[in-house]
Amino acid sequence: KAGVTQTPRYLIKTRGQQVTLSCSPISGHRSVSWYQQTPGQGLQFLFEYFSETQRNKGNFPGRFSGRQFSNSRSEMNVSTLELGDSALYLCASSPTTGISGNTIYFGEGSWLTVV
Amino acid sequence: SQQGEEDPQALSIQEGENATMNCSYKTSINNLQWYRQNSGRGLVHLILIRSNEREKHSGRLRVTLDTSKKSSSLLITASRAADTASYFCATGGERGNMLTFGGGTRLMVKP
Repeated sequence: KAGVTQTPRYLIKTRGQQVTLSCSPISGHRSVSWYQQTPGQGLQFLFEYFSETQRNKGNFPGRFSGRQFSNSRSEMNVSTLELGDSALYLCASSPTTGISGNTIYFGEGSWLTVV
Repeated sequence: SQQGEEDPQALSIQEGENATMNCSYKTSINNLQWYRQNSGRGLVHLILIRSNEREKHSGRLRVTLDTSKKSSSLLITASRAADTASYFCATGGERGNMLTFGGGTRLMVKP
């Protein structure tokens, strides 16, 4: 079974631009979450989608948004990029949501550099 | 904000030795999961332990959970150079699949 797949793996953007990152969850998984990892703030939760609905949202500005499609694939978008948005963005998938035994699997991440 | 802290922040040992990493958290949890991250890569899931469990094993890994002390530990026995990585604990609460991560422990295993 293929793991969580994220594209692109690496990208460089200019301040003020926007970026879209893509995530394909493990087959059969319906929950997709996104995390940001930076040296200063560590790993921080962005949002979770389940059955095309946003279930939870972290403490990030509205420039960060996401969506989930009917096939469970997800995208996240960051508009008006700032230098501080440079980070590793990790996607995670899980079969379902809200149960105590839910193992959450991560992809390899997308490295975003804002210049 | 991060749920808690991991201790130590960095650990250097020789191959064959055991490595113990500790994780503390602040709020009630449903489960706690440990992950490994090699430099610049994604997170690899190691073990999930539910809040009503006290200990779990997987190969050379042993995880304990003490909910009264809000702490967990990860023991890697007979470590190998390939175990060199950062290790993170992540707690799951009542908000769906939202995980709150600790700061991680950087483990170096010298051959």
